[in-house]
Amino acid sequence: DAGVTQSPTHLIKTRGQHVTLRCSPISGHKSVSWYQQVLGQGPQFIFQYYEKEERGRGNFPDRFSARQFPNYSSELNVNALLLGDSALYLCASSLEGQGVELFFGEGSRLTVL
Amino acid sequence: GESVGLHLPTLSVQEGDNSIINCAYSNSASDYFIWYKQESGKGPQFIIDIRSNMDKRQGQRVTVLLNKTVKHLSLQIAATQPGDSAVYFCAEEGGTSYGKLTFGQGTILTVHP
Repeated sequence: DAGVTQSPTHLIKTRGQHVTLRCSPISGHKSVSWYQQVLGQGPQFIFQYYEKEERGRGNFPDRFSARQFPNYSSELNVNALLLGDSALYLCASSLEGQGVELFFGEGSRLTVL
Repeated sequence: GESVGLHLPTLSVQEGDNSIINCAYSNSASDYFIWYKQESGKGPQFIIDIRSNMDKRQGQRVTVLLNKTVKHLSLQIAATQPGDSAVYFCAEEGGTSYGKLTFGQGTILTVHP
């Protein structure tokens, strides 16, 4: 069975550019969450979507946005990239909205130059 | 505010020893506490969780202990193996943060053959 898949796995952008990261949850999972993991730190919550609705938002600026599609896949968008946005962006899925057992993808490594 | 932290950032053990990884938390309203394992280049992997109304839970070679009096969480790994080498994160979920996990900084566990 396919786990959570994310694309792209690695990408390099320059300051001021925009990026779109994609996530496909495990089949049957309706909840998708996004986390940012800066090197040497634990993941930080960005968004949670359940049944295509935003259920939670972390302490991130409005440059960060996301959406969930009818097939439960999700996109994370970041505008006006800053150097500090360089990080591993993790997507996680779970069966229900209250996802204690999150299943994480391997992440998208974003480098902003 | 909510925070989850770790006492020891690194832990080195010999193969076959028992390992104990500690974590302090500050949100008394959290419903669940979870341990994740993250290997290099991979996303976090769920290990075990415990509800706030329990003080001990056992899995295969792992035991999680919760002491709500001092807001302390620990992960015990029995007969540690080289494959256990990874970064271990504690996380909490619940209270008013529906579906959101708050992760600690992480402990690097190195198992020497």
